[in-house]
Amino acid sequence: QKEVEQNSGPLSVPEGAIASLNCTYSDRGSQSFFWYRQYSGKSPELIMFIYSNGDKEDGRFTAQLNKASQYVSLLIRDSQPSDSATYLCAVIPPGGFKTIFGAGTRLFVKA
Amino acid sequence: DAGVTQSPTHLIKTRGQQVTLRCSPKSGHDTVSWYQQALGQGPQFIFQYYEEEERQRGNFPDRFSGHQFPNYSSELNVNALLLGDSALYLCASSATGGYYGYTFGSGTRLTVV
Repeated sequence: QKEVEQNSGPLSVPEGAIASLNCTYSDRGSQSFFWYRQYSGKSPELIMFIYSNGDKEDGRFTAQLNKASQYVSLLIRDSQPSDSATYLCAVIPPGGFKTIFGAGTRLFVKA
Repeated sequence: DAGVTQSPTHLIKTRGQQVTLRCSPKSGHDTVSWYQQALGQGPQFIFQYYEEEERQRGNFPDRFSGHQFPNYSSELNVNALLLGDSALYLCASSATGGYYGYTFGSGTRLTVV
């Protein structure tokens, strides 16, 4: 079982719709969770981090964490073509310092 | 405010050679982590440096080594290059180990022929 799993996609949504990206992690004791965006040919860029169960909102982005289900999600409201990128879910497992990344979900927003 | 600076941007090496990649972290950051990203994959953790020591290491062979200098900059060395080492190498800087997320450099694209 991979430590961080994501559907590779591609996920295709029309402009203005809500894009929902999902991620599961294997280590129940993990405490820190991140979403990064990576445009083609570029390096990852931090969008959000979340530590507590529930929702965290920042502009058009909402991160949701459910530790009991070991599930993290990212909602992008009013999706724009400029949101088309690969979204990486990342987790810091307990007892260490490394951040583990999933393989990413490719998102396409159609104009 | 300078972000994370990596050099070189691109590099072509021959199998068996050695390579050194360099990274200057973002101002105010004291921790440097190195990642390898193959095409279509997520970044894979190589190691993390803090206070000039390797604090944690991922599942990479000893051919991969690193160093952190007193000014927090870092180097990644790879010996005896293999074709499979071809990838994007990312430097990520952070404060206090990355618990608030990383700032990535633009990466070094290494091609081994």
